[in-house]
This record gives sequence, C-alpha cells and structure tokens, in this order.
Amino acid sequence: KQEVTQIPAALSVPEGENLVLNCSFTDSAIYNLQWFRQDPGKGLTSLLLIQSSQREQTSGRLNASLDKSSGRSTLYIAASQPGDSATYLCARRGRGGADGLTFGKGTHLIIQP
Amino acid sequence: NAGVTQTPKFRVLKTGQSMTLLCAQDMNHEYMYWYRQDPGMGLRLIHYSVGEGTTAKGEVPDGYNVSRLKKQNFLLGLESAAPSQTSVYFCASKGSSYEQYFGPGTRLTVT
Repeated sequence: KQEVTQIPAALSVPEGENLVLNCSFTDSAIYNLQWFRQDPGKGLTSLLLIQSSQREQTSGRLNASLDKSSGRSTLYIAASQPGDSATYLCARRGRGGADGLTFGKGTHLIIQP
Repeated sequence: NAGVTQTPKFRVLKTGQSMTLLCAQDMNHEYMYWYRQDPGMGLRLIHYSVGEGTTAKGEVPDGYNVSRLKKQNFLLGLESAAPSQTSVYFCASKGSSYEQYFGPGTRLTVT
C-alpha cells in the first residue's frame, strides 16, 4: 500500500524563521507530488506541484523539492509570517491511470508573532 | 471564477437516511474526485471519474455511490447513512495541468 508520512505533525516557530516541512513516500514510482495548505474549516489550496521529472519548484517564499530515489519531498518556507499558520499537506500521485492523490496526515504549523 | 463548488456546506443526518452531495466545476475539467477527511487521518479517495458518464472506485468506496451525468457535475450519494460516515467531504477536479483543485468541503454529521 502506498503511504505518505509527514514529519513533524506539529511545529511552532517565531516569526521570521526559515523552516522545512518533510514528506516521505514508500513507492518511488511517483507521477507527481503536490503540496497543499489547509486553513481551519476550509478547503485545500494548492501551493506547488512537482512532476517526477523535476527536482524542485518555487513560488514566492516557498520552495518544494523532490528526491524520488530516497522517497522524500521537502517544503521550505522562507522568512515565515503569522499568515503562514495553517496545516500543510503533501500528496503523491502514482503512475498509471487517473487515480487520485494519496495524502499525508499533514503538519500543523503555527508562526508566533 | 467559481472554480469548484460544493452543496451543501453542512448537513446533519439520522442513521439510515439518504442524501446526495453535489460538486460542480466550471473549469471544463475531465477528472473529478471525491475524498473524505477524518481527524488523525489523511484525505482518502472515495470515488473518481475520468469523464462524463464514467465512475471508478477509490480507496474507501463502500456505502457510497456516484454519478457523472454532466461533465461539470459529480454527485456523491449515501443511500443509508451510518455514524461512520460522519466526516468532511471534499470534491476536486483536474484538467491537463495535473494539479487538483479542491472545493470548500461539506461537513456531514450522522447521528
């Protein structure tokens, strides 16, 4: 069974720090990996998508990397702000068919003002 | 630009009742998905569709049925609701860009 693990489950840091969220997956036959943000009681907002042929993607203060050989992805947040407080989810799509994403349980991030 | 919308936003059902959740997207996407999110667990795929008139089972399909009669709509039905189906349900759609776009969710409580 494909599994996605996110470490840590929760993280609290002071404003302004750079931080890294980790995502690991068990099957290296990955098609792409997507990072999402979820605010309390809300839906999911797509942050970054990395195709299996790519090593990283950047959007503003966010940078996501993908290492298929080790089964890992990281989301780097630079100069964190209180508005970055949310739950961050990573999800992988496996090869073959149009099946949906397999999600990790998320990292709950709190940025202290 | 509405994106993905879900109806209703909240619902409380008694055990054994039936209901249908509606998902609509205005992006002309071929693929649509239904997920459920439970505390302490990641989102899990219930059913999905690769185009109008098609449906397929996901990871946790038991107790649910789906229909995709129109390309823009994907319906999720509960024929006889059970307390174990208390959850937050998310619909998503995907076009050629590979990204999945999610709706705001439906919070369902079965008593």
